[in-house]
Amino acid sequence: QSVLTQPPSVSGAPGQRVTISCTGSSSNIGAGYDVHWYQQLPGTAPKLLIYGNSNRPSGVPDRFSGSKSGTSASLAITGLQAEDEADYYCQSYDSSLPWVFGGGTKLTVL
Amino acid sequence: QVQLQESGPGLVKPSQTLSLTCTVSGGSISSGSYYWSWIRQPAGKGLEWIGRIYTSGSTNYNPSLKSRVTISVDTSKNQFSLKLSSVTAADTAVYYCARSVIAAAAPFDYWGQGTLVTVSS
Repeated sequence: QSVLTQPPSVSGAPGQRVTISCTGSSSNIGAGYDVHWYQQLPGTAPKLLIYGNSNRPSGVPDRFSGSKSGTSASLAITGLQAEDEADYYCQSYDSSLPWVFGGGTKLTVL
Repeated sequence: QVQLQESGPGLVKPSQTLSLTCTVSGGSISSGSYYWSWIRQPAGKGLEWIGRIYTSGSTNYNPSLKSRVTISVDTSKNQFSLKLSSVTAADTAVYYCARSVIAAAAPFDYWGQGTLVTVSS
């Protein structure tokens, strides 16, 4: 069981907006630690998608955005495209571990 | 452009020791600005942080694996390594090496491509 909780799956049609939640607690997200998001395409390594709650690395489209509030964080994807179909993971710090991950969310583009 | 590449046996027998090496190119592992980590992912499952090392050799491990894990660094070869002892089928996973800056809750900005290790007799 992951320290950070994500929905197992989300789906949306091309062009739509989807959000993926990441719920933590007072020992991680709620303690003020940054949340990061990764995209993992099938058969590949995770790729940093959002860092520091809401910042995009160079090359990441602005269709991807992140936010954080209280003990939760969210990843939003607008203008959904077929190439966005992947697994998405959140990551933060916890008082028990330097790094903790969410269980991952599989995004299906209908 | 920093690149990380994992290498090591793809098959390990139960009770033996899994050994992997991560070779870093495009940057010096001795730069002093980064942690170097190992992360694993069983098939169809999520990511699990195994442990990290700093260029000085200082390490931190996931408590759930601490008794079986050793991470070391060889700055002369620009490599760091993972040893996981007394493996079982539950240790079958894709193993990744990754880099993060030295800061609490820092993200992993560079990852290796991953290497599948299967524990089986």
